[in-house]
Amino acid sequence: QVQLVESGGGVVQPGRSLTLSCAASGFNFISYGLHWVRQAPGKGLEWVAVIWYDGSNKFYADSVKGRFTISRDNSKNMLFLQMNSLRAEDTAMYYCARDPCYAGNCYTPDYWGQGTRVTVSS
Amino acid sequence: SSEVTQDPAVSVVLGQTVRITCHGDSLRGNYASWYQQKPGQAPILVIYGDNNRPSGIPDRFSGSTSGTTASLTITGAQAEDEADYYCSSRDSSYNQLVFGGGTNLTVL
Repeated sequence: QVQLVESGGGVVQPGRSLTLSCAASGFNFISYGLHWVRQAPGKGLEWVAVIWYDGSNKFYADSVKGRFTISRDNSKNMLFLQMNSLRAEDTAMYYCARDPCYAGNCYTPDYWGQGTRVTVSS
Repeated sequence: SSEVTQDPAVSVVLGQTVRITCHGDSLRGNYASWYQQKPGQAPILVIYGDNNRPSGIPDRFSGSTSGTTASLTITGAQAEDEADYYCSSRDSSYNQLVFGGGTNLTVL
């Protein structure tokens, strides 16, 4: 069955860095785009970033552009999110989600992991 | 980036029909998706491409889009449908994905 398992979350001080990972299994990894989506405590979903199935395109939310970097390792079925210059407002549950990339565009996440929690606090 | 708005809360009597809507310029010309999220759980896709159901999603869930408004309709709401619902669409102007603020559905 499809599995997406996030890891790497934790408590980090403002201004520091953290890297999240997402291990995928149960589907043809290289055929899917991948997203990071976050949810602050008690708040709604906020899209963070997407990477195309072949890594050819990467797009980011304005709130993280220049600070976060999405990447993938298709040889290991892994997705990553490098987060630099972390702020209190980055505190959230971070979900990875796969995307079938209908018509070659990756804007429909269809299966989500259970998330990893990031807390930015001094 | 564009904004997509939803009513914060909607209620429906058990077995009745409810429509949840979202509004935004990004919906014009782009497909809408809908996600269901229950407390402490990850979101689940219930509608994609305006009105397509993933396998395993009951046929009481349907979707439609007209102009800048997308709708999720639950025909014959069940107690297990009580959840938060989020719409999403591509924001073509910025190559981003945008989510609505979410609608909390209560089944009475």
